[in-house]
Amino acid sequence: DAGVIQSPRHEVTEMGQEVTLRCKPISGHDYLFWYRQTMMRGLELLIYFNNNVPIDDSGMPEDRFSAKMPNASFSTLKIQPSEPRDSAVYFCASSLAPGLGEKLFFGSGTQLSVL
Amino acid sequence: QKEVEQNSGPLSVPEGAIASLNCTYSDRGSQSFFWYRQYSGKSPELIMSIYSNGDKEDGRFTAQLNKASQYVSLLIRDSQPSDSATYLCAVRVDSSYKLIFGSGTRLLVRP
Repeated sequence: DAGVIQSPRHEVTEMGQEVTLRCKPISGHDYLFWYRQTMMRGLELLIYFNNNVPIDDSGMPEDRFSAKMPNASFSTLKIQPSEPRDSAVYFCASSLAPGLGEKLFFGSGTQLSVL
Repeated sequence: QKEVEQNSGPLSVPEGAIASLNCTYSDRGSQSFFWYRQYSGKSPELIMSIYSNGDKEDGRFTAQLNKASQYVSLLIRDSQPSDSATYLCAVRVDSSYKLIFGSGTRLLVRP
């Protein structure tokens, strides 16, 4: 398996634009997580899915952020409109269910810069 | 908001020494504890997990857990320059599957 695949690797956009980040989890993994990492706040959990269903989105900063998982092999995180404070590295991670191994496999991340 | 706290460092040790990394957490109901390593510009990767009080050893790494003190640590024996990275402590919250990370401790191993 190629691991968790995220795209794009880098995104530079202007304030007010819509940004869509994409993630393909490892095949067979039941859980998918979106994290955001900044120097100030570290690695923050935004939302996680189980079997394509959002379970906890309490970490989503505000209504400008939304996430979907239309099927087991694809998820998106959308920011509309984007703001400079959204600049961060966004990681997607997937894992098997608890009890089968709780190791998170992270993608390479998307470096987002909002100007 | 549950908290996981770590000293940001950097922790500087000479090659061959023991590096000791510490983490405290606030949720007494936490059951699962993890150490992830993150090299600069890379994504985190799991190096140790621990679920019971006491020590767990894996090669040069030892994780220690004390639930009464809400404290988890990672010891790295015979530290190598290749161990230089940021070490993230992570705690699974209650019965959910939320994994909360500390802000990480940067370790520098001097040749």
